[in-house]
Amino acid sequence: KAGVTQTPRYLIKTRGQQVTLSCSPISGHRSVSWYQQTPGQGLQFLFEYFSETQRNKGNFPGRFSGRQFSNSRSEMNVSTLELGDSALYLCASSWTGQGYETQYFGPGTRLLVL
Amino acid sequence: SQQGEEDPQALSIQEGENATMNCSYKTSINNLQWYRQNSGRGLVHLILIRSNEREKHSGRLRVTLDTSKKSSSLLITASRAADTASYFCATDGIGGNKLVFGAGTILRVKS
Repeated sequence: KAGVTQTPRYLIKTRGQQVTLSCSPISGHRSVSWYQQTPGQGLQFLFEYFSETQRNKGNFPGRFSGRQFSNSRSEMNVSTLELGDSALYLCASSWTGQGYETQYFGPGTRLLVL
Repeated sequence: SQQGEEDPQALSIQEGENATMNCSYKTSINNLQWYRQNSGRGLVHLILIRSNEREKHSGRLRVTLDTSKKSSSLLITASRAADTASYFCATDGIGGNKLVFGAGTILRVKS
């Protein structure tokens, strides 16, 4: 079974631009979560989608948004990029997203904002 | 914000030695998981322990959970150079459907 894939793997943007990251979950998984990882703040939860609905959202500004498609693939968008948005963005998938489930992580998208 | 602290922040040991990492968290939990991350890549699930369990084993891994102290420990026995990675504990956060991660312990195993 193929693992979680994320595209692109690396991205360089400038301040003020917007970016869209994509995540394809493991086949059959309906929950997709997004996390931001930075050296200063560590791993922080962005949002979680299940069956095209956002069920949970972390403490991030409205510039961070996401969506999930009917095939469970998910995208996240960051508008008006700031230098502090430079980070590794990880997505994870699981069957239902419950806390007792293993989360399967993708390799991440490394975003650099100049 | 992160759920809690991990201790130590970094650990350097020789191959064959045991490595112990500790994690503390702040709120009540249902489950606690440990993940490994190699060099800025994705996380790999290691083991899950439920709040009603006190100890769990998986291969060379041993996890303990003390809910009264809101803490957990991960023991890796007979460490190998390939165990070099960052290790994170994660708890199921309030509201469910998300993991709240600790700050992580960087483990270096020298051969």
